[in-house]
Amino acid sequence: DAGVTQSPTHLIKTRGQHVTLRCSPISGHKSVSWYQQVLGQGPQFIFQYYEKEERGRGNFPDRFSARQFPNYSSELNVNALLLGDSALYLCASSLIETGDDSPLHFGNGTRLTVT
Amino acid sequence: AQSVTQPDIHITVSEGASLELRCNYSYGATPYLFWYVQSPGQGLQLLLKYFSGDTLVQGIKGFEAEFKRSQSSFNLRKPSVHWSDAAEYFCAVRNPGGYNKLIFGAGTRLAVHP
Repeated sequence: DAGVTQSPTHLIKTRGQHVTLRCSPISGHKSVSWYQQVLGQGPQFIFQYYEKEERGRGNFPDRFSARQFPNYSSELNVNALLLGDSALYLCASSLIETGDDSPLHFGNGTRLTVT
Repeated sequence: AQSVTQPDIHITVSEGASLELRCNYSYGATPYLFWYVQSPGQGLQLLLKYFSGDTLVQGIKGFEAEFKRSQSSFNLRKPSVHWSDAAEYFCAVRNPGGYNKLIFGAGTRLAVHP
């Protein structure tokens, strides 16, 4: 079975540009979450989507946005990129929104470098 | 504020030696607790989780963790480390009643000497 897939794997952008990262959840999973992992730190929660609706948002500026499509895949968009946005962006999917039997399954991430 | 502290940034052990990685949390009530492992260039893999009940939980790859409420700790252990265990380990907490948002510690990088 395919796991969580993210594209692209690596990306280099210039300050001020925007970027779109993509995520396909495990088949059957309806919830997708996004995390930012800056080098040397643990992942930080950005968004959770369930059934195409935003269910939670972390402490990130409005430059960060996301959406979930009818097939449950998701996009993370970041506008007006800053050097500090350089990080590994992780997508995770789960079967349902919450619950004991709905652990998060993570993809391998997209490495974004902003120059 | 909710937080997770992993006091050890780097740990080096010899292959075959025992391992304990520390994790302390700050939370209003007893959260759900997790340990994840991340190999270079990879995503996070769930090692084990604690929701309630027996405070000693078993996970994959021979890992176990013990929840101690009085110490707000959830330390990860392995009796005999293999070279393939070299990776970064993250402790995380989640609100039992909330949506699937994890709060992670900063991680502990484990090196294994042959």
